[in-house]
Order: sequence, then C-alpha cells, then structure tokens
Amino acid sequence: ETGVTQTPRHLVMGMTNKKSLKCEQHLGHNAMYWYKQSAKKPLELMFVYNFKEQTENNSVPSRFSPECPNSSHLFLHLHTLQPEDSALYLCASSQDPAGDYGYTFGSGTRLTVV
Amino acid sequence: KQEVTQIPAALSVPEGENLVLNCSFTDSAIYNLQWFRQDPGKGLTSLLLIQSSQREQTSGRLNASLDKSSGRSTLYIAASQPGDSATYLCAVRDWGNTPLVFGKGTRLSVIA
Repeated sequence: ETGVTQTPRHLVMGMTNKKSLKCEQHLGHNAMYWYKQSAKKPLELMFVYNFKEQTENNSVPSRFSPECPNSSHLFLHLHTLQPEDSALYLCASSQDPAGDYGYTFGSGTRLTVV
Repeated sequence: KQEVTQIPAALSVPEGENLVLNCSFTDSAIYNLQWFRQDPGKGLTSLLLIQSSQREQTSGRLNASLDKSSGRSTLYIAASQPGDSATYLCAVRDWGNTPLVFGKGTRLSVIA
C-alpha cells in the first residue's frame, strides 16, 4: 500500500446509474488529484485540489463531479456516463501543491460503463 | 505545451541483462522529473524523483539520469529480473503550479 487508498477497486455501472469513487490519504498531504488512464493514452489530469479548494478542472465533462470535504478525502461522483468513460481512474496526492517531494498514487478504480 | 515521449513503447529482454529506458521532453525548463512503475491494472509506484538541480538518482538496481539541456532522462536497470516486468512511466513537472505531464510508458518484459 502506498498510503493512498481508493475504493472500490472495480466498478461496473450502467449509463443511467449514479456512483461515486473514493480516495483517502493519511500522509498529511495537502494536494489531491484525479487522473484518468485509458488504453494506449498517457495519464490525463482531471481535477486538482489544494487545501480542499479546487484549483484545476482540465475541461472535464460535467458528468464527472469532484468533491473534497477535507484534505484527506477526495470523491469523484459519476452520473450518466458513456461507454468511452471506461478507464482506470487514479487518485494521487502530494505534500505540497508544487509537488516538490513527488506524488503518491493509489491503486486505482477500474471503471466499466455498460 | 510540454510533451513527454518514451521510447521504446515495449521491450523484451532476457533475465540478467542491463537495460536503459528513455524519456524525452520538449520544454527543458522543468522543475522535476519522476519515474514510476505500473503493474497491469494497478496504480503507480514511485521509483525515483530527480529535481532540476540534480543529474541523477539511484535506488538499488535503478539509476535515473537527467540532462535538462537536451531534454532527456534515462532509467537504467541493472541485472534485470522477471519481477521487473511492468510498465515504466516518466512524468515531468514544469515550473509554476503546473500538473505532471506523463509519457505513454515503456512496457518491459523480462524473460526467465
């Protein structure tokens, strides 16, 4: 375990469902991130939170809705997804927003939209 | 816009061989560079972090070098083992409050 925990590990959902992905870190980090990893593409940054405040939304469709209630928890709420949203969703954290000490990633949630 | 390229996309070597993975980036004004390992269907494990002021970092059988002026980094793996089989990702962070930019990775297979 890296210190960043993601649940669930696997998720299958229909296009009309609503589900949430959860990320938790107890490393004392102040920045948290959501990334999407699709086959044969580089990791794509989705959202950045620094000290619980969203600082970046990388042109992500509104069917993805992040929530950061505190500096240790990050959620990604999903609704009316499309099959092309099927991917590995990775959460990461860093000690400071500048990433001076690198980034720690969770194991990811494998999402399949049917 | 920063772009990161990793060559080769896939590599297969016999056990015991020393090997080099390559990473290049288009904008040399980076803040730091990080190498990750990813096992199939899993998250990323950080291997080495090189700050812009550093030339290399070592951890066990792994050595990463950084040449900012030429926009290149290499990951050297000594005496490869089957357990080293994974995808290796290179990511750079530019100056300013910018996110990591990743390459597509090199998929390594070490054959026993």
